[in-house]
Amino acid sequence: RKEVEQDPGPFNVPEGATVAFNCTYSNSASQSFFWYRQDCRKEPKLLMSVYSSGNEDGRFTAQLNRASQYISLLIRDSKLSDSATYLCVVISGSARQLTFGSGTQLTVLP
Amino acid sequence: DTEVTQTPKHLVMGMTNKKSLKCEQHMGHRAMYWYKQKAKKPPELMFVYSYEKLSINESVPSRFSPECPNSSLLNLHLHALQPEDSALYLCASSQPNRDTDTQYFGPGTRLTVL
Repeated sequence: RKEVEQDPGPFNVPEGATVAFNCTYSNSASQSFFWYRQDCRKEPKLLMSVYSSGNEDGRFTAQLNRASQYISLLIRDSKLSDSATYLCVVISGSARQLTFGSGTQLTVLP
Repeated sequence: DTEVTQTPKHLVMGMTNKKSLKCEQHMGHRAMYWYKQKAKKPPELMFVYSYEKLSINESVPSRFSPECPNSSLLNLHLHALQPEDSALYLCASSQPNRDTDTQYFGPGTRLTVL
């Protein structure tokens, strides 16, 4: 079983749609959780950190469920500019090593 | 300022060449990382430096040699690479603190080995 697993995608949605991504992790002692966004041929960029209490940044909402070991990302009112690969990231261990999910590709269609 | 810079942006090298990738950050971060990313795959960790000391080497072949001259700089020396080493090489940095360990990535060096 992979340490971090994501929805396989790709997701193709119309502008204005709401889309949700899920990610599960295997290490129950994982400490920190993030969503990164990566545009084609660019570096990953931090989208948001994820907390048990949930956090919202404009159209984006992230949630952590420690009991079920999954994190989610909800994008409301999708824009064309949201098209990218979304990477779930988990930090675990004493070395605080970062593990990426395989990424979910989102294409928002006009 | 959350900028990590990398040079060069693109590099084409032959299998007998020796080249170096460079990474720099001025955020006062004390952890720096090298990742390798192949097309349509997530980044794979290669090396971690913490307080200028190599703390993690993910079984990377010796043809890749990292160096951390000071807390702001990270190099990756390349020698006798193979075509399968062609990839995007990403540098990242973070502050190794429990509450602020977000990693910030540089734009990467796109390496092609002929």
